[in-house]
Amino acid sequence: EDKVVQSPLSLVVHEGDTVTLNCSYEVTNFRSLLWYKQEKKAPTFLFMLTSSGIEKKSGRLSSILDKKELSSILNITATQTGDSAIYLCAVASTTWRGNDMRFGAGTRLTVKP
Amino acid sequence: EAGVTQSPTHLIKTRGQQATLRCSPISGHTSVYWYQQALGLGLQFLLWYDEGEERNRGNFPPRFSGRQFPNYSSELNVNALELEDSALYLCASSNGQTGMNTEAFFGQGTRLTVV
Repeated sequence: EDKVVQSPLSLVVHEGDTVTLNCSYEVTNFRSLLWYKQEKKAPTFLFMLTSSGIEKKSGRLSSILDKKELSSILNITATQTGDSAIYLCAVASTTWRGNDMRFGAGTRLTVKP
Repeated sequence: EAGVTQSPTHLIKTRGQQATLRCSPISGHTSVYWYQQALGLGLQFLLWYDEGEERNRGNFPPRFSGRQFPNYSSELNVNALELEDSALYLCASSNGQTGMNTEAFFGQGTRLTVV
């Protein structure tokens, strides 16, 4: 059974800290790994990673995929209170059922002033 | 272009009743995923539909069911509601074409409260 595991489940930091969120996966026929941010209701898309070792960056957020280790990290530098959210990792794969997308349970990040 | 739309936004039901939640995917998307997110918890995979067929279901009892219509919209039905079914139900859609790497887009969710 395909699975996506995120760690830690929750994290509390102070403004200015740097955080690293982890995502590991076990899927067959991997296609891509995606990161989302969920603040209130609908998760919003952050990054898609398809090639190993290539860093995707957007401001203070960056992410790298390690296909050998079947994992990815999401880094947030100089955290702000607005970064408080649930961060979700998803893995897309091609299965006999079709193109599947499986989400991890998420990491709840709380940034204190 | 319209995003993923879900209705209703909020739903209050009493224990034992049935709830029907609806989702309209982004135009051109054939895959629809349903997730349950109980308060303080992560996303729990419920159902995945593609091209009108159920492709996979999560570890939920049979009273959670659904379907996908020819226009790719989807319904989630929850029968014999229990208090612990109270949660945010999120729908996401993606392009189901083989080889396409696109992200899934989420709707705003339906907040179901069972009293």
